Amino acid sequence: AQSVTQLGSHVSVSEGALVLLRCNYSSSVPPYLFWYVQYPNQGLQLLLKYTTGATLVKGINGFEAEFKKSETSFHLTKPSAHMSDAAEYFCAVSAGTYKYIFGTGTRLKVLA
Amino acid sequence: EADIYQTPRYLVIGTGKKITLECSQTMGHDKMYWYQQDPGMELHLIHYSYGVNSTEKGDLSSESTVSRIRTEHFPLTLESARPSHTSQYLCASSDGTGYTGELFFGEGSRLTVL
Repeated sequence: AQSVTQLGSHVSVSEGALVLLRCNYSSSVPPYLFWYVQYPNQGLQLLLKYTTGATLVKGINGFEAEFKKSETSFHLTKPSAHMSDAAEYFCAVSAGTYKYIFGTGTRLKVLA
Repeated sequence: EADIYQTPRYLVIGTGKKITLECSQTMGHDKMYWYQQDPGMELHLIHYSYGVNSTEKGDLSSESTVSRIRTEHFPLTLESARPSHTSQYLCASSDGTGYTGELFFGEGSRLTVL
């Protein structure tokens, strides 16, 4: 069975600092992994996804994530936080045809 | 921007009322989903559809029902709302096949049952 664990329900960083949001997964099959972002009063939007191939995946708004099979991790990073990055971020794993398992989310706060 | 729309965005109703949350997409996606979202919790799948006249219950038990008579339309209905139904409901559709398709989400319908 597939599962996702996001470490840290709230993360605060200063503007310009590194953003690191952690995601660990469990999957009995090769995983397909996703990061979504949710801005206040909006739906979720895909940031990036890993399916196969290159383990470092680049997404929108300067975010990237690295798939590490040995650590069962898919952490999301951005070198320099911007105020507009304040949002909630969800990690997800594909759990079979047409089904996805989401983590509990990490709320990112960016301090001026 | 994704072309998937939910109405109403916000709804406050009394216990026992029947409500329908509307969801429409203009992307021609076969696969559509309803998720329930509560603060600090993972998104829970409550219904999904592979196409017209195909609907399945998700992992989270729900007293709601859905229908899929047209590709673009996937409404969710609660016959008799209760305070325990208070939540945010997110509709989504998928463009891909199998395991790797991106989900496109609507902006959500926040339901409060008094």
